[in-house]
Amino acid sequence: AQKITQTQPGMFVQEKEAVTLDCTYDTSDPSYGLFWYKQPSSGEMIFLIYQGSYDQQNATEGRYSLNFQKARKSANLVISASQLGDSAMYFCAMREATTTDSWGKFQFGAGTQVVVTP
Amino acid sequence: GAVVSQHPSRVICKSGTSVKIECRSLDFQATTMFWYRQFPKQSLMLMATSNEGSKATYEQGVEKDKFLINHASLTLSTLTVTSAHPEDSSFYICSARDLGMSNQPQHFGDGTRLSIL
Repeated sequence: AQKITQTQPGMFVQEKEAVTLDCTYDTSDPSYGLFWYKQPSSGEMIFLIYQGSYDQQNATEGRYSLNFQKARKSANLVISASQLGDSAMYFCAMREATTTDSWGKFQFGAGTQVVVTP
Repeated sequence: GAVVSQHPSRVICKSGTSVKIECRSLDFQATTMFWYRQFPKQSLMLMATSNEGSKATYEQGVEKDKFLINHASLTLSTLTVTSAHPEDSSFYICSARDLGMSNQPQHFGDGTRLSIL
């Protein structure tokens, strides 16, 4: 079963505007971590932001913020003041901590392609 | 910050060739490394978990004999695509995590684009 769902295959956003990328997840584990990565066309995976399941506050990292709604099991990424260099594929990922075997293994969503236009 | 080096970045070779891809953690020890495969416009698909000093754990549907993984030290894991064929052409990317804490992200290599002619 799909554990991470990203429902937006692609989005256009105008430069300097904010954009929200949706991510919902499914887990019965009380302890988990949620991550967002950016993958430009060159292929490297760039870590953006992390939210732990026990964190009380929403994570922020510069222009990136995570809208964490635990009850709804959503962890949307907000990019403020979009720049042309933000054009990339964005992946939401989850890591559960149920057993030693699964600790560290990521579940990735399908990704959202963001295109920032001038 | 933590850096993972992956080499080579691009390989083009003939069908039947075996190709080795290296993944090194440069400034931390990685007891666990992960190997992913990614097709164009798709997500990362976990192939196997590489554990230092023990056998790799392969995901369902991944051929162990086709994709040989060796994790001989705390800083190096290798993926060998044996007798590669055109259908093995893909983007392969490794990642590693530092020991312990749940909030540590996986650190990714820059990936290897493999093209089998």
